[in-house]
Amino acid sequence: EVQLLESGGGLVQPGGSLRLSCAASGFTFSSYAMSWVRQAPGKGLEWVSAISASGASTYYADSVKGRFTISRDTSKNTLFLQMISLRAEDTAVYYCAKGGQYSSSWYYAWGQGTLVTVSS
Amino acid sequence: DIQMTQSPSSLSASVGDRVTITCQASQGINNYLSWYQQKPGKAPKLLIYDASNLETGVPSRFSGSGSGTDFTFTISSLQPEDIATYYCHQYDIVPYTFGQGTKLEIK
Repeated sequence: EVQLLESGGGLVQPGGSLRLSCAASGFTFSSYAMSWVRQAPGKGLEWVSAISASGASTYYADSVKGRFTISRDTSKNTLFLQMISLRAEDTAVYYCAKGGQYSSSWYYAWGQGTLVTVSS
Repeated sequence: DIQMTQSPSSLSASVGDRVTITCQASQGINNYLSWYQQKPGKAPKLLIYDASNLETGVPSRFSGSGSGTDFTFTISSLQPEDIATYYCHQYDIVPYTFGQGTKLEIK
C-alpha cells in the first residue's frame, strides 16, 4: 500500500524558512516523479512543484520560483520542500503527491498534508 | 500558463441524479487531464486520468470524457457518499494547474 507522510509544517514568521518532508513507502520511490500541491484555508488546490524520478529535473509554480526548492533523497525514500522568504500567502496545507514514471503525470496518491502558517 | 475554467462552482442535486461538471482549458492539453474528489478535511483522491480512464477501484458511476480543450466529468447516479468538492487538473504543460473546484451538495 502506498503511504505518504508529510511533516515539518508549523507556524513561521513572514520572511522565515521551513523545510517540509514527505516519507514515502509501499512503492519504488526512485521510479516515480513526485510533487507538492498546496491548499490555502477554504480555497482550491494549487500546484507548487514537481521533481522527476531521477531528481535531475525540477519544476515550480511562478508564485514560489526562487523561494522554494524541491529535492529528494532516494536512500531515505523522502521528498523535501525547502521554503525560504515565506509570505502570508504561502499559508496552506501542503500535500505531497505520487506521480507516474514521467513528470507529466496525474497523482496516484496523496499524503494527508502538513499545515504551514505564515504569520507574525 | 494554462487556465482551467471549471463549472459550475457549486451544484445541488438529488440522490440518483445525473451530475455533470465541465472543465475548459485555455489551450489544448493532449488529454492530459485528471479529476479528483476531495472530502472535507481529507486529501484529494484520484478518480479519472488521461481524461477518460477510471482509476482502479473507483465506482463505475464516475466517468470522464472530452478532448483538446473541453472536458466533462459525470456521475451517472448521485449517491450520498459522493458529496465532496471535485477538481480537474491539467498535467500537460508546466505550471500544471487545477480548476477552481465544484462543490457538490445533496438537494
